[in-house]
Amino acid sequence: QSALTQPASVSGSPRQSITISCTGASGDVGSYDYVSWYQQHPGKAPKLIIYEVSNRPSGVSNRFSGSKSGNTASLTISGLQAEDEADYYCTSYSSTNPYVFGAGTTVTVL
Amino acid sequence: EVQLVQSGAEVKKPGESVKISCKGSGYKFTSYWIAWVRQMPGKGLEWMGIIYPGDSETRYSPSFQGQVTMSVDKSTATAYVQFSSLRASDTAMYYCARHWSPGSAFDYWGQGTLLTVSS
Repeated sequence: QSALTQPASVSGSPRQSITISCTGASGDVGSYDYVSWYQQHPGKAPKLIIYEVSNRPSGVSNRFSGSKSGNTASLTISGLQAEDEADYYCTSYSSTNPYVFGAGTTVTVL
Repeated sequence: EVQLVQSGAEVKKPGESVKISCKGSGYKFTSYWIAWVRQMPGKGLEWMGIIYPGDSETRYSPSFQGQVTMSVDKSTATAYVQFSSLRASDTAMYYCARHWSPGSAFDYWGQGTLLTVSS
């Protein structure tokens, strides 16, 4: 299965906003609202931060927001903080397999 | 409190077999799917497959079909992934994660099990 396309890295200064894109196809991101985002700090398990395109689980900062347009989903981190430095992965339901992951994006806080 | 606790790190030789476990607690184990996710050293997350403890229905990623076997033991609320003939390329961190239905988000994750395959 083809992975969803994410930029390899995104950087920003503290208090800035950054956006990570996640591009799929009509058989996954474009057809379903089952897009979720995960944050992974080095040596830790992934953590769910956005589900069903734009919903935040309880306890996740409202600085994280998600959206979708066509075949591309996006994760925006506003008011960037040092603790946001991590890898971020998107995943989507797919018509051929239940899941397809993005390759991951490393966020660096300058 | 929902928890998924995985078995400890394993070191195996090529050709050997291994079974990694994931014990769920704090929720009704048979009502949620369990997914297995691989992360090779320095690489991204890969979905391996999912299993529904209620009836053991499984769905494998084409990349892992025939390479691993997923199972559950409802009596102990434990899910397993088994490798029958290990290769060096199976060296990775393996995570289990809970989700409500095929396609839904992975809301709780295990801590990961590091599998090292080396002669």
